[in-house]
Amino acid sequence: DVKVTQSSRYLVKRTGEKVFLECVQDMDHENMFWYRQDPGLGLRLIYFSYDVKMKEKGDIPEGYSVSREKKERFSLILESASTNQTSMYLCASNPTSAETQYFGPGTRLLVL
Amino acid sequence: SQQGEEDPQALSIQEGENATMNCSYKTSINNLQWYRQNSGRGLVHLILIRSNEREKHSGRLRVTLDTSKKSSSLLITASRAADTASYFCATGRGSNYKLTFGKGTLLTVNP
Repeated sequence: DVKVTQSSRYLVKRTGEKVFLECVQDMDHENMFWYRQDPGLGLRLIYFSYDVKMKEKGDIPEGYSVSREKKERFSLILESASTNQTSMYLCASNPTSAETQYFGPGTRLLVL
Repeated sequence: SQQGEEDPQALSIQEGENATMNCSYKTSINNLQWYRQNSGRGLVHLILIRSNEREKHSGRLRVTLDTSKKSSSLLITASRAADTASYFCATGRGSNYKLTFGKGTLLTVNP
């Protein structure tokens, strides 16, 4: 079975802190994704990576950056966390040969 | 930008009844997928239908796609309490394997 893991299920941070959300997949997938999920808005794509060191902006990249130094790991970085970044963050991956995505369990981030 | 829009936003039924959820989208697609999310968890892929297909079955799930109306429906037959979850449609376009998700339908199946 494909396994996508996220470093934390719940995270509480202060405004202005630098926040790292980590995602690891164990199936050698080329593509990895970061989404945020908010009530009434569904899932929105923040960033997408199709290879090591390659990234592409999604629909809402402002306030976020990403890093993919190794194929299995995709990190989402909040340079200076703000309260409007309180949300559920979901990581996903898939191989280039398939359209379906495999999701991690999510990280619920609260920024105070 | 949101591509898929599910309808209804919430649906409450009794165990054993059928549940139907609809999804509409705006632009041409390669495929449409349905995902399920249990409360506070990640999404799980349920079924994919390609733009040249009209209907697909998987166990108690039946998906239809009408590209002329830019809409899809997900039917869950003989629902169970364990089917209680949020259901999302997602559309795939082009070759970059990105998906655009709708806002979801919250299904509650009462025992």
